[in-house]
Amino acid sequence: GAVVSQHPSRVICKSGTSVKIECRSLDFQATTMFWYRQFPKQSLMLMATSNEGSKATYEQGVEKDKFLINHASLTLSTLTVTSAHPEDSSFYICSTRGRGLYGYTFGSGTRLTVV
Amino acid sequence: GQQVMQIPQYQHVQEGEDFTTYCNSSTTLSNIQWYKQRPGGHPVFLIQLVKSGEVKKQKRLTFQFGEAKKNSSLHITATQTTDVGTYFCAGRLETSGSRLTFGEGTQLTVNP
Repeated sequence: GAVVSQHPSRVICKSGTSVKIECRSLDFQATTMFWYRQFPKQSLMLMATSNEGSKATYEQGVEKDKFLINHASLTLSTLTVTSAHPEDSSFYICSTRGRGLYGYTFGSGTRLTVV
Repeated sequence: GQQVMQIPQYQHVQEGEDFTTYCNSSTTLSNIQWYKQRPGGHPVFLIQLVKSGEVKKQKRLTFQFGEAKKNSSLHITATQTTDVGTYFCAGRLETSGSRLTFGEGTQLTVNP
């Protein structure tokens, strides 16, 4: 089945620094990658949709300049949290769907803590 | 605002009891998917329902899609401790392309 590798799984950074999260589709080509944010005991909130070779589409209320998304190849999408603040601490998770598959495959998630 | 609503938010059962979570959408869904997220883990795809009135079973799990394609349910018969986790429904709205809208999830705990 489809596998999405997400790194890092956990990261602690200082306020004001930037953090890059990578999602790689290991055995298929992911033309579209969805990026979610999940707070403890809450649902997944879609932040943005990245498409290979084009600009990402951001959901309402998500700052484009703060959450930079790059989808330069069919197997790699990255989310960079710029100038991180403690309120950005959350669980970030990517998801995509392999061709011919019904369900969406999720990465293992990145728990970001900004101190 | 949230277009896919899910209840209950929490459910505590004794092992062996049944469990049901319900999902309702304010708009017609092209399909609905169900996911399970274990504590500390990531969502894992369980099933997709597409047809109006569709019913699918996976061992002790029964999934239903309403006739109007606006609601769905997941029923677990005779819960086991391995069923612990949060169950999310996720709908593909007819107007949202491939984007999924997740329900709030139902957190299930099973007491042995």
